[in-house]
Amino acid sequence: GAVVSQHPSWVICKSGTSVKIECRSLDFQATTMFWYRQFPKQSLMLMATSNEGSKATYEQGVEKDKFLINHASLTLSTLTVTSAHPEDSSFYICSAEGGSGVETQYFGPGTRLLVL
Amino acid sequence: GENVEQHPSTLSVQEGDSAVIKCTYSDSASNYFPWYKQELGKGPQLIIDIRSNVGEKKDQRIAVTLNKTAKHFSLHITETQPEDSAVYFCAASIGGGADGLTFGKGTHLIIQP
Repeated sequence: GAVVSQHPSWVICKSGTSVKIECRSLDFQATTMFWYRQFPKQSLMLMATSNEGSKATYEQGVEKDKFLINHASLTLSTLTVTSAHPEDSSFYICSAEGGSGVETQYFGPGTRLLVL
Repeated sequence: GENVEQHPSTLSVQEGDSAVIKCTYSDSASNYFPWYKQELGKGPQLIIDIRSNVGEKKDQRIAVTLNKTAKHFSLHITETQPEDSAVYFCAASIGGGADGLTFGKGTHLIIQP
């Protein structure tokens, strides 16, 4: 139980285009979902917190107009990187809170984004 | 905000020996401390977690201890096996798992055969 999926697993795009990443909780309803970014050989950094039906809360330094988050249902959250640039290339990982554990976060497999 | 320090950055142990990874946190309001294992190119996998009302928790070869007074917590892996090789991250949050996690910088654990 407590499985989180992400799609796509990797994406290559041209500079200036937008990319959408989906995060789904497959076997539980997630009260809250989180988006993290991880650069090579570095730790995970929280980008934003999203709750179903409400606006996402962004961490300091994260541009909300560049990283659009939509949490349409209790099992789906999407992250759209708008007007992507090479410096946006990173490993994007979502997590969902819920499932069998009380207030436990389960992570997806991640999406590797490469902007050319 | 919360700051989590993790040591060591790299740990090499002989197969069968024990491994210990230590973390300290800065915000005394933090009450939830999970440990994640991350293999190359994959998302983090929760291996054990502890909440501030508990001092120690064990799950087979893995144990976590928490010292709230000193604001530090540790991961202990006994009888290490080659498949334990990975990067391990500690994390802390104030609102339990319902709050965003602040991660340590990670420990690359290498199990020598």
